[in-house]
Amino acid sequence: EVQLLESGGALVQPGGSLRLSCAASGFIFSNYAMTWVRQAPGKGLEWVSVISGNGDSIFYTESVRGRFTISRDNSENTLYLQLNSLGADDTAVYYCTRDWQSGGSSYGSLYWGQGTLVTVSS
Amino acid sequence: QTVVTQEPSFSVSPGGTVTLTCALSSGSVSTENYPTWYQQTPGQAPRTLFYNTNIRSSGVPYRFSGSILGNKAALTITGAQADDESDYYCLLYVGAGIWVFGGGTKLTVL
Repeated sequence: EVQLLESGGALVQPGGSLRLSCAASGFIFSNYAMTWVRQAPGKGLEWVSVISGNGDSIFYTESVRGRFTISRDNSENTLYLQLNSLGADDTAVYYCTRDWQSGGSSYGSLYWGQGTLVTVSS
Repeated sequence: QTVVTQEPSFSVSPGGTVTLTCALSSGSVSTENYPTWYQQTPGQAPRTLFYNTNIRSSGVPYRFSGSILGNKAALTITGAQADDESDYYCLLYVGAGIWVFGGGTKLTVL
């Protein structure tokens, strides 16, 4: 059974940093692209970033490029998202997702974790 | 900046049929955009309904179908039930490694 468990969400001050983690199990982690998606309170889903299975290919949505860094440790079956220079509009539940198809590129998210809440406030 | 547009809200009667659509500001949606559909109820993580346009995720009832209709991706519910009342989101690949969600459709069944 595919399982994705996010952690690391917290209350952080504006301008602060945080690292989110996603522990994966139930599949060969290195075979799949992984994606972070976020959802601000009462708002829609926003695609944030994707990393290929071997970590060589990485993409970000414009609003986080230069502030967020996605990475993965395939030996530990863990996905990360480093969040820097946080602002109020980064407040959201952050979801970790796994692609439906194995391979280098992303073809769309199939499996979702339960999410971790990041709150940016003074 | 590519925008993905969905109907903000839709209403359907129990037993009725409804088609939600997903449009791309830069042109027509095709299978190369790998349309993906999600259902979300309040307080829950999204649930994948369809990926790669029309591949049904495990456990999704057959009253749901995914397709390309004209120049848009479409999610059709035939014989809507009360527990289909949810928010529905589409996700499209827009090129250069980037994906974009639509704003979501709030479906009411009444």
